[in-house]
Amino acid sequence: DVKVTQSSRYLVKRTGEKVFLECVQDMDHENMFWYRQDPGLGLRLIYFSYDVKMKEKGDIPEGYSVSREKKERFSLILESASTNQTSMYLCAISSGETQYFGPGTRLLVL
Amino acid sequence: DQQVKQNSPSLSVQEGRISILNCDYTNSMFDYFLWYKKYPAEGPTFLISISSIKDKNEDGRFTVFLNKSAKHLSLHIVPSQPGDSAVYFCAAMTSNFGNEKLTFGTGTRLTIIP
Repeated sequence: DVKVTQSSRYLVKRTGEKVFLECVQDMDHENMFWYRQDPGLGLRLIYFSYDVKMKEKGDIPEGYSVSREKKERFSLILESASTNQTSMYLCAISSGETQYFGPGTRLLVL
Repeated sequence: DQQVKQNSPSLSVQEGRISILNCDYTNSMFDYFLWYKKYPAEGPTFLISISSIKDKNEDGRFTVFLNKSAKHLSLHIVPSQPGDSAVYFCAAMTSNFGNEKLTFGTGTRLTIIP
């Protein structure tokens, strides 16, 4: 079974704070993804990584950065959190053509 | 530009009847399609997928149909059960791009009425 874990289920942060969301996988998957999910907008890809230290922008990268120093760990960074970044953040890995998701982090920025 | 569209935001179906969820796409390069189910405060879980070389794939109560000429796919759930109440997302990819990047629809909230 593929296991994807995310560091927090719920987070409350203040505007302007730097926020780190971590994702860890327990298998040797190369591709990892960060999405946000908002009502009526579906899942939108923020960044993805296909190898250590490799990253590519997704559809909505503005306001975010990522880090992948080790294969099993992919971090999403909000450099200066804003209220419009309040959302559900989902990490995924791909195994073949199928992506498997972590449980999500619900982030509230006040 | 929404390349994958789910035009019904919500759907209510009686328990035991068939649920049909629809999805349209515009990008003719998409050749692999997936359906995910999502409960509140959880990550999406993979349900079923279909390659463009097929027009139907079945797994238990779930069947996905693909009409390439119409750029349309549908998910049939029969019989519908209360535990099927969730948000369903369809997703599409171009499998030969190598990055396994998915494009998701906006989701349909399915409610099964007991």
